[in-house]
Amino acid sequence: ELKVEQNPLFLSMQEGKNYTIYCNYSTTSDRLYWYRQDPGKSLESLFVLLSNGAVKQEGRLMASLDTKARLSTLHITAAVHDLSATYFCAVDMYMRFGAGTRLTVKP
Amino acid sequence: DSGVTQTPKHLITATGQRVTLRCSPRSGDLSVYWYQQSLDQGLQFLIQYYNGEERAKGNILERFSAQQFPDLHSELNLSSLELGDSALYFCASSAALAGGVADTQYFGPGTRLTVL
Repeated sequence: ELKVEQNPLFLSMQEGKNYTIYCNYSTTSDRLYWYRQDPGKSLESLFVLLSNGAVKQEGRLMASLDTKARLSTLHITAAVHDLSATYFCAVDMYMRFGAGTRLTVKP
Repeated sequence: DSGVTQTPKHLITATGQRVTLRCSPRSGDLSVYWYQQSLDQGLQFLIQYYNGEERAKGNILERFSAQQFPDLHSELNLSSLELGDSALYFCASSAALAGGVADTQYFGPGTRLTVL
């Protein structure tokens, strides 16, 4: 059974700092998704990674995928308060989700 | 706004009852997915329909069923409700059959179900 582990589950950052969220998964998959969820809101698609070595960037967020290591990372550069949210990774075409990383960016 | 609509926004009901949640996908999207989000279980994929046909099943209970109609809207039916069914139910849609390149899913605002 496919298992998806995210870490950390909680992350408190100061504005301007960099950090990385990790998403490990247990069986082979060639696709990985990152989503953002604000409190009480729905999920917003951030990235779709479809191949080994894929790297995508949007603003202060950059996601990468290493299918051989079964690892994806979401890197946050120079965090700002607006990035505070819960970030989920999901693996395979039917979306096995990680537990989520609750990010809080403090001034 | 993702373009996916769900009704109702909130639903409060009693144990043993049956409810129907409705989802309208983005214009042109043929795939509809249902998810459940709860504190206990996190986010779980329930079921997917593509152009009216069931395509994949996830952790969907036998008490739950879904269908997709010719106009592509979908309904999720939950019966014999239990306290543990209280959760946020999301619908998502995508243009492609899952596994296709353009299969980014767009999530609706969700229906919050409370079973008392």
